[in-house]
Amino acid sequence: GAGVSQSPSNKVTEKGKDVELRCDPISGHTALYWYRQSLGQGLEFLIYFQGNSAPDKSGLPSDRFSAERTGGSVSTLTIQRTQQEDSAVYLCASSQRQGPNTGELFFGEGSRLTVL
Amino acid sequence: EDKVVQSPLSLVVHEGDTVTLNCSYEVTNFRSLLWYKQEKKAPTFLFMLTSSGIEKKSGRLSSILDKKELFSILNITATQTGDSAIYLCAVDGTSYGKLTFGQGTILTVHP
Repeated sequence: GAGVSQSPSNKVTEKGKDVELRCDPISGHTALYWYRQSLGQGLEFLIYFQGNSAPDKSGLPSDRFSAERTGGSVSTLTIQRTQQEDSAVYLCASSQRQGPNTGELFFGEGSRLTVL
Repeated sequence: EDKVVQSPLSLVVHEGDTVTLNCSYEVTNFRSLLWYKQEKKAPTFLFMLTSSGIEKKSGRLSSILDKKELFSILNITATQTGDSAIYLCAVDGTSYGKLTFGQGTILTVHP
């Protein structure tokens, strides 16, 4: 597809279970981002991948959160032992980053996670 | 750490009104400020501003940046119900490679 694709669009899980969220960025985009949006809040940065460089994990809220990006394309965000406070919409974005400027991010429609 | 503050947090108007949304920021190494519109799911890009005093315009929407006073405004004239959304401001600054977002302004336009 032409845009950023995320799956699942909705996920309901029980506290303590692990979840995986997937992001397929726009073809050719070298930068990939994960953000989290809680109800009524702005976007909270989680992690950033740029090409083959080591990812910037500075926004991950705890060691229960991890992400990988395989082959410089698809990314998976994994949350282990989910807690109720993890409930949020997880947004993925990609960009064709050039030079020092982050530039415009193209967002997917998000994965809504509900932890019961 | 970069900081972005938007105001008001929410705004309710009637069709035809003009609204002004505010975004102030604190960054050490400013590169650009971006505005996004989020209706239901994916935020969509509106404007990117890098220079002070130069207005960017798209239809009824316009935006301007003041790098001296460290703020930007987003104006929407002759509002329509389709303008109802969350408007997000973000800064590309100190935190290399990522945008820092404000908490957003929820705009509701009643017919």
